[in-house]
Amino acid sequence: GAVVSQHPSWVICKSGTSVKIECRSLDFQATTMFWYRQFPKQSLMLMATSNEGSKATYEQGVEKDKFLINHASLTLSTLTVTSAHPEDSSFYICSASLGVSETQYFGPGTRLLVL
Amino acid sequence: DAKTTQPPSMDCAEGRAANLPCNHSTISGNEYVYWYRQIHSQGPQYIIHGLKNNETNEMASLIITEDRKSSTLILPHATLRDTAVYYCIVRVARNFGNEKLTFGTGTRLTIIP
Repeated sequence: GAVVSQHPSWVICKSGTSVKIECRSLDFQATTMFWYRQFPKQSLMLMATSNEGSKATYEQGVEKDKFLINHASLTLSTLTVTSAHPEDSSFYICSASLGVSETQYFGPGTRLLVL
Repeated sequence: DAKTTQPPSMDCAEGRAANLPCNHSTISGNEYVYWYRQIHSQGPQYIIHGLKNNETNEMASLIITEDRKSSTLILPHATLRDTAVYYCIVRVARNFGNEKLTFGTGTRLTIIP
């Protein structure tokens, strides 16, 4: 149980394009989903927290207009990197939980390379 | 926010027990200790968590000291597949009720054949 998937697993795009990453909870309903990113040789950094049906809460320093998060259902959240640039190249990881106080289960991650 | 301190790296022989320490001396009474691990280029994997009692599951055991200022994750019979970065995290409660996980640098555990 508690399986989280992400799609795509990796993506290469040109600078200036937008990229959408999907995060799905496969065997449970996730009222809360989290988005992290991880640069090489660094730890995970939380970008935003989203609750189903409401606006995401972004961490300090994360641009909400650049990283659009939609959590329209209890099993799906999407992260859209708008007008991606090479500095956005990173490993993006989502996690899901039954609620904010529950254990978070992580997806396998999406590696984004912006050329 | 309670912070954690872990050794940057450890080695363990295959088949032996791996004991990973974590200090969290500023932990609050209602904060849990969580352990995750991240194998190279994958998302973190949940291992175990606890509040004040020792916990055991199919993956590991968690020993929390009586004063809750430190804990030890025990992998009873380490295999090569246990090579990973292990994160000890104290779950933080924010003012408006949402809780987040703050990842430190973790311990890079290498299992030696």
